[in-house]
Amino acid sequence: AQRVTQPEKLLSVFKGAPVELKCNYSYSGSPELFWYVQYSRQRLQLLLRHISRESIKGFTADLNKGETSFHLKKPFAQEEDSAMYYCALKVVDSGNTPLVFGKGTRLSVIA
Amino acid sequence: KAGVTQTPRYLIKTRGQQVTLSCSPISGHRSVSWYQQTPGQGLQFLFEYFSETQRNKGNFPGRFSGRQFSNSRSEMNVSTLELGDSALYLCASSLSGGSGTLAKNIQYFGAGTRLSVL
Repeated sequence: AQRVTQPEKLLSVFKGAPVELKCNYSYSGSPELFWYVQYSRQRLQLLLRHISRESIKGFTADLNKGETSFHLKKPFAQEEDSAMYYCALKVVDSGNTPLVFGKGTRLSVIA
Repeated sequence: KAGVTQTPRYLIKTRGQQVTLSCSPISGHRSVSWYQQTPGQGLQFLFEYFSETQRNKGNFPGRFSGRQFSNSRSEMNVSTLELGDSALYLCASSLSGGSGTLAKNIQYFGAGTRLSVL
């Protein structure tokens, strides 16, 4: 079965410092990877997906199939980045399977 | 376009009761997925419905059930509530829950129903 691991429950960084939220997955085929974000009192929303290869709110994520990782990075953290971040995986080469989420990492940006 | 709507937003029930939660997907979306969100376990997949058929099911007991109507609206039911069922229940809709254009794999979430079991 597919699995998504986010090793850090909580990550605290100072404003202006670089941020890296780790995500590792286990799946031997071709997955689609996502990062979802949940700001305080807001609904869960898509931040970015690997196939888009774009930067959203300064965040980027590169799929590394060799290391089965999809880490989320931002060079300079802002206070408004404080939120809960979930990495998710969807199998796209084998039937209809549900989106699998990691347990999430809470990012706290300290002023 | 209206987003995913979940009702009610809050529910308080006692052990042994049953509860029904409702989800209205984004217009045109045919797939609806349900998740249980708790601080300790994060998001756990309950089930997915597509065109009124359950397409996937997570690892939850049979007390958790759901259905989807012809207009894609979905309900989930939890019978014989237990204290451990207290959680935020999220619904998400997408154009398609599975194969097809990758853009159809994006899920849009509702604000959730917070269930407290006393």
